[in-house]
Amino acid sequence: QKEVEQNSGPLSVPEGAIASLNCTYSDRGSQSFFWYRQYSGKSPELIMFIYSNGDKEDGRFTAQLNKASQYVSLLIRDSQPSDSATYLCAVKGANFGNEKLTFGTGTRLTIIP
Amino acid sequence: GAVVSQHPSWVICKSGTSVKIECRSLDFQATTMFWYRQFPKQSLMLMATSNEGSKATYEQGVEKDKFLINHASLTLSTLTVTSAHPEDSSFYICSARPRGISNQPQHFGDGTRLSIL
Repeated sequence: QKEVEQNSGPLSVPEGAIASLNCTYSDRGSQSFFWYRQYSGKSPELIMFIYSNGDKEDGRFTAQLNKASQYVSLLIRDSQPSDSATYLCAVKGANFGNEKLTFGTGTRLTIIP
Repeated sequence: GAVVSQHPSWVICKSGTSVKIECRSLDFQATTMFWYRQFPKQSLMLMATSNEGSKATYEQGVEKDKFLINHASLTLSTLTVTSAHPEDSSFYICSARPRGISNQPQHFGDGTRLSIL
C-alpha cells in the first residue's frame, strides 16, 4: 500500500466550475498536510497546508482534512485555465523532529476553457 | 518571504563529469534542507536530508558516495553528483524549512535540470 495515494487523473474541469482533488494517507499519526502545485517543467509551489480537522480556506482554495478517514482534499472554486497543473499532496509523519514529507504521485488537472 | 534559490537551473555535461548544485535560503535560516529527484511523469523522490553542521541522512537506495551533500551554513546546502552518467539525468530540486518554527511547510527552489550526454 502506498503511503500517500492520489488519483493520477487527468481530471478535466470546465472553466468556472469547482475542481476537487483527493488524497488518502496510510500513517494514522500524520500531523501536517500540504498541497503543492507543479506546472510542467517547474518545481512545486505551496498552495495550502492544514493541520486540524475541518476546512481551511484561502481565496479560491479550500483544504479539507478528515483524520479519522485519513483523507485530505483540495477544492478549487471558479477554476481558471491557469489552474491547469499537477497537484501534489504531501504528508509529514507522526515522529517528532522528522521533517520529511511523503508525496503522492500527483493529480493532473486540466481546466477546459 | 521564504524564498529558496537553486543554481544552476540547468546543466548539460559529458559522462564522467562531477556537477555541483547549490541551494540557498534567501530570507530565512534553515537547519534542514532536502534534496529531491524527479524523473519525467513521476513524483518527487526524497534523496537525502541535509543537516547544518552534520552529515546528511540518505534515503534507502541513494548512494552517499555518488551524491555528496554539504550543509556548511544555515543558508546553503550543496549537492554534488560525482562522475555523473546518463542515468543520473533528472530534475533535481531542493527545499528548505524555516528554522525553529514547527510545522512550517517546505519551500522549494526552482530546480536543476541535469542532462548527462
